[in-house]
Amino acid sequence: DTAVSQTPKYLVTQMGNDKSIKCEQNLGHDTMYWYKQDSKKFLKIMFSYNNKELIINETVPNRFSPKSPDKAHLNLHINSLELGDSAVYFCASSQETRDRGVAFFGQGTRLTVV
Amino acid sequence: AQSVTQLGSHVSVSEGALVLLRCNYSSSVPPYLFWYVQYPNQGLQLLLKYTSAATLVKGINGFEAEFKKSETSFHLTKPSAHMSDAAEYFCALDTGGFKTIFGAGTRLFVKA
Repeated sequence: DTAVSQTPKYLVTQMGNDKSIKCEQNLGHDTMYWYKQDSKKFLKIMFSYNNKELIINETVPNRFSPKSPDKAHLNLHINSLELGDSAVYFCASSQETRDRGVAFFGQGTRLTVV
Repeated sequence: AQSVTQLGSHVSVSEGALVLLRCNYSSSVPPYLFWYVQYPNQGLQLLLKYTSAATLVKGINGFEAEFKKSETSFHLTKPSAHMSDAAEYFCALDTGGFKTIFGAGTRLFVKA
């Protein structure tokens, strides 16, 4: 039973399209995140949500819009996709009140914009 | 400003040899430090964490790390490398406020 699951695992799309990535965690965690990993493996936080509230927005273009319908889900919608959006996107979750900083990651979504 | 620096983007060792992956941090408050491992085409997994208790921290798969405040370091070691240890390793610093900073990663190669 996967703790943090993302769908889809692979996404190939054309420039200008709009796409969504879904994330669900079954760990009962209060905090969820989106990270972007570029081709050089550099991992950067994009957003963090705590109890469905946006806490961190790391100067991400407003074409990226996260949505957290409940504590177990954090989806990422991307409008007007650009070539530079190609990367691996990771969802993660943590329970900061119990185990600060310990994050559980999904398998990643490899987004390729052509 | 808080930051994490991993020295060496690639490290190559022979099977059975010592593994040493270097990490230095900068933090104005007592740090929470972590090492994560990423196998190909997978997400990150926690190897170990330092949260101001013992300075020598043991993790999974035989890895351990030592926190040295005077050197602002948190290097990762394993006495004897296995082929299965080949992966990308990330040092990370929790900044508080629901944000973790990751180092640039070190790719570990293990030669037979």
